[in-house]
Amino acid sequence: EAGVTQFPSHSVIEKGQTVTLRCDPISGHDNLYWYRRVMGKEIKFLLHFVKESKQDESGMPNNRFLAERTGGTYSTLKVQPAELEDSGVYFCASSPLGTGELFFGEGSRLTVL
Amino acid sequence: QKEVEQDPGPLSVPEGAIVSLNCTYSNSAFQYFMWYRQYSRKGPELLMYTYSSGNKEDGRFTAQVDKSSKYISLFIRDSQPSDSATYLCAMIDGTSYGKLTFGQGTILTVHP
Repeated sequence: EAGVTQFPSHSVIEKGQTVTLRCDPISGHDNLYWYRRVMGKEIKFLLHFVKESKQDESGMPNNRFLAERTGGTYSTLKVQPAELEDSGVYFCASSPLGTGELFFGEGSRLTVL
Repeated sequence: QKEVEQDPGPLSVPEGAIVSLNCTYSNSAFQYFMWYRQYSRKGPELLMYTYSSGNKEDGRFTAQVDKSSKYISLFIRDSQPSDSATYLCAMIDGTSYGKLTFGQGTILTVHP
């Protein structure tokens, strides 16, 4: 069974550019989460989808971040325009409904120059 | 003040040693406590999941929770080089199963 897959694994962009990160959850997992780890800090919650609906987006830092989940399957996280402080590793995780065990992807490393 | 405090280390031990990893927290609402292991360039993977105060054992791993002191621990017995990784404590308050609050993670190296 395929795990959570994320693309790209690493992206290097310049300040002001746009980047879109993609996450494919484990098939059948209705919960999808985005987390982020910036340098030297702990992993922090960004938002939570249940199927295609945003359940909780309290962790989104500002309106430069836009997350979508098309048809309750894969999800994208767009950063537009990117700033230096957006650099970090963005993790996606998924889980079945009603469970607390999250399965994480390997992360997408974003470097903003 | 951070909600969850975890010493980032690094911690280096010889093979076969007993490892003790700890986290303290300030939010009394936390009800579920987890330990994740993260290998370099990989995502975190769940090791242990506990709810109540006390000990939970799984093979060489023991998770301990003391809610009165707001303190959790992970013990690794007979540590192996393959245990070298970053260990992250995480907690949730019960309102959302997947909204984890993480500690910073402790980098552990077990040398042969």
